[in-house]
Amino acid sequence: EPEVTQTPSHQVTQMGQEVILRCVPISNHLYFYWYRQILGQKVEFLVSFYNNEISEKSEIFDDQFSVERPDGSNFTLKIRSTKLEDSAMYFCASLIGLAGNEQFFGPGTRLTVL
Amino acid sequence: GESVGLHLPTLSVQEGDNSIINCAYSNSASDYFIWYKQESGKGPQFIIDIRSNMDKRQGQRVTVLLNKTVKHLSLQIAATQPGDSAVYFCAERSNDYKLSFGAGTTVTVRA
Repeated sequence: EPEVTQTPSHQVTQMGQEVILRCVPISNHLYFYWYRQILGQKVEFLVSFYNNEISEKSEIFDDQFSVERPDGSNFTLKIRSTKLEDSAMYFCASLIGLAGNEQFFGPGTRLTVL
Repeated sequence: GESVGLHLPTLSVQEGDNSIINCAYSNSASDYFIWYKQESGKGPQFIIDIRSNMDKRQGQRVTVLLNKTVKHLSLQIAATQPGDSAVYFCAERSNDYKLSFGAGTTVTVRA
């Protein structure tokens, strides 16, 4: 069964450093998302991406965040200068298209900012 | 603004009993709702969905009920099994397919 994959599973970084979180969505999906979940809290929407551009972003997704689909398979989330409060689980999700209902989530990357 | 929330943060249920997980939402314009299950260390997993023009939908061992009058959503799990232990989230979907999640209910199944 096709699945969304994410790497790394755990990333530890120093405050102020740049991190890139990587996702490989399901191959025939067209809509891509990043969500985050701070420990013990709910899952929060960050950004949606379609046709090589951002379609919507939340208040969390400020200038320190960016997304990219550098090739036909990867979808990345970059945080330019990490802050302590960026520590969270980051989930990538993909959706086949507007006719589909289910966003498929990856296993997540746990980001720890020290 | 819109909010989606669950009534209780934890639920302990005896194996074999039925579970009911509740969710209240505030955005009356929401037209689509989803229940997700999240096991420890994993991403959210789709369980079942329901459109606002329905009041009930059944899946395998799960039933979702929607009461638009009081903006309430529930997930019923029949014959709860140890593998059902997880955090359950309700979510509403906006027109652009962004998901807004509730806070989650942790279900623990007692043997």
